[in-house]
Amino acid sequence: DIQMTQSPSALAASVGDRVTITCRASQGISNYVAWFQQKPGKAPKSLIYAASSLQSGVPSKFSGSGSGTDFTLTISSLQPEDFATYYCQQYNTYPPTFGQGTKVEIK
Amino acid sequence: QVQLVESGGGVVQPGRSQRLSCAASGFTFSNYAMHWVRQAPGKGLEWVAFMSSDGGLKSYPDSVKGRFTIFRDISKNALYLQMNSLRPEDTAVYYCTREGASSWLDYWGQGTLVTVSS
Repeated sequence: DIQMTQSPSALAASVGDRVTITCRASQGISNYVAWFQQKPGKAPKSLIYAASSLQSGVPSKFSGSGSGTDFTLTISSLQPEDFATYYCQQYNTYPPTFGQGTKVEIK
Repeated sequence: QVQLVESGGGVVQPGRSQRLSCAASGFTFSNYAMHWVRQAPGKGLEWVAFMSSDGGLKSYPDSVKGRFTIFRDISKNALYLQMNSLRPEDTAVYYCTREGASSWLDYWGQGTLVTVSS
């Protein structure tokens, strides 16, 4: 199975900060990466697919990049509603596998 | 609007079976591949099942292969997950999720909690 390693596992940031989360795949996966946001007690919400394509209705402060093995999710200006846990997932090869998550907390 | 509503969770004893349901609405159910994803309490996300849009392809991770079965009833716009020989490590919130035409897992249900305990 392909392993997805996210970093950091957690971070503390302030409102207005630019935040970057990285995800590294254990082997090349082209651009078959998605990013999800999950708030406590809620279902995951899709943010990004195909590494850099924004899901419909997702604000443009979220952006994704990368190809091959290294991927990033960037939040350009952190807002109170963005404090959550973020997961990457590869879907190049079955089984689709998730990163372990990055918890974004308030500094 | 697209809606996915899971049901069927509860407390079940180890070794027993449970069937989860996902009621789909707001889109043409038969045109989309569907997945189940689970999340153990306080843990990350784990993919557990896939069914292709034509129903002909199914896939599972090794952790549930041979015990879980994904199937659907198009006439009811419903997706199911039959879980047999349940183990304590199957305790999780189970989410039903749609695979978009090119947008991967675009819509998710609210989840249903399955607790495997004696």
